[in-house]
Amino acid sequence: KNEVEQSPQNLTAQEGEFITINCSYSVGISALHWLQQHPGGGIVSLFMLSSGKKKHGRLIATINIQEKHSSLHITASHPRDSAVYICAAQDMDSNYQLIWGAGTKLIIKP
Amino acid sequence: DAGITQSPRHKVTETGTPVTLRCHQTENHRYMYWYRQDPGHGLRLIHYSYGVKDTDKGEVSDGYSVSRSKTEDFLLTLESATSSQTSVYFCAISETADGYTFGSGTRLTVV
Repeated sequence: KNEVEQSPQNLTAQEGEFITINCSYSVGISALHWLQQHPGGGIVSLFMLSSGKKKHGRLIATINIQEKHSSLHITASHPRDSAVYICAAQDMDSNYQLIWGAGTKLIIKP
Repeated sequence: DAGITQSPRHKVTETGTPVTLRCHQTENHRYMYWYRQDPGHGLRLIHYSYGVKDTDKGEVSDGYSVSRSKTEDFLLTLESATSSQTSVYFCAISETADGYTFGSGTRLTVV
């Protein structure tokens, strides 16, 4: 069993829809990261969470430490949001190394 | 991100030749990492550094070595490149309370 699991693996939606990507983890963490990677592109850090909720523009990330679960939401989705979204758990016992989820490939159709 | 640069961006090399990739940061972050990204595997940690001359192995370190003689530079060396090392290589930096910042990646092809 992977220590960090994301769902869904693939998601296709229409422009304007509300998007939710889920991440569950089984290890003790000091933080949970959400990152974005466009096709052929670099990796951008979106959020680093240790509790509660963070918002940046149309992106919202939440984490429930007790349930070991985090979600990334996109409101009013747009084709430019099409990318791979990756969650990564920062293991509290391993010098800030990250345990990576497999990623969610999101396609937003106009 | 302007705070971290990787060079070269693209490289084609022959099997058996040595290759060095460079990661340079201007953020004075303590931690630096080298990852490789391959289809079906996501990001895998090769080596990381937690300070000048302090490095440790990641999950896929065989065939790679690193050096960090200055805070700002983290070098990844393939002593004798093999076709299995064809990949996209990402450098990343982090500091205790901050998130991670990734370089733009180096696409390495070993022929």
